[in-house]
Amino acid sequence: AQTVTQSQPEMSVQEAETVTLSCTYDTSENNYYLFWYKQPPSRQMILVIRQEAYKQQNATENRFSVNFQKAAKSFSLKISDSQLGDTAMYFCAFMNNNAGGTSYGKLTFGQGTILTVHP
Amino acid sequence: SAVISQKPSRDICQRGTSLTIQCQVDSQVTMMFWYRQQPGQSLTLIATANQGSEATYESGFVIDKFPISRPNLTFSTLTVSNMSPEDSSIYLCSAGLAGGPQYFGPGTRLTVL
Repeated sequence: AQTVTQSQPEMSVQEAETVTLSCTYDTSENNYYLFWYKQPPSRQMILVIRQEAYKQQNATENRFSVNFQKAAKSFSLKISDSQLGDTAMYFCAFMNNNAGGTSYGKLTFGQGTILTVHP
Repeated sequence: SAVISQKPSRDICQRGTSLTIQCQVDSQVTMMFWYRQQPGQSLTLIATANQGSEATYESGFVIDKFPISRPNLTFSTLTVSNMSPEDSSIYLCSAGLAGGPQYFGPGTRLTVL
């Protein structure tokens, strides 16, 4: 079984600044994906960014980038030029991509980090 | 990406009754899942909705309490049966292609009195 840990229950940042959200995970799988999802007060879960475990290059999506450290089982999210609309709860999630496994395709979520962007 | 809708968006129900939540995807997907989320907390997987066969439930969730149907590749329902106040929660469905990310519906906020 895999576990995902987000050790920062809450974070805050000033508009236009940069913030990093932490995530660590534990797994014995070698084929997996990692995701960051955003859930604003509207409660709609929005996919922010994903990382395939076999890729060494860190994923980026506009202002969002990750620092994927596979050996350390760490997957942090960096938000640059923070905007008020980035205020949300952020979830780190693990997905087993081994088709023969019982947990194939299922998401395991961390506890979430509430991010508040201040004007 | 898939666009997912859920109905109803919220409901208030009496103890002992049942509620069926619908999840519709705008494209064919291989995988569909149902999650439960207490406000301000993380998501817990209830079950995998399997097309044309019985759902696969996670530990702590049973078919009698949460019957799930998935008659085709784009539609699934979750029923919360014989409800109690402890079932008050947000229920979300997700969907995606095998080996790809999951996309989520907007959720159903259920309150049981």
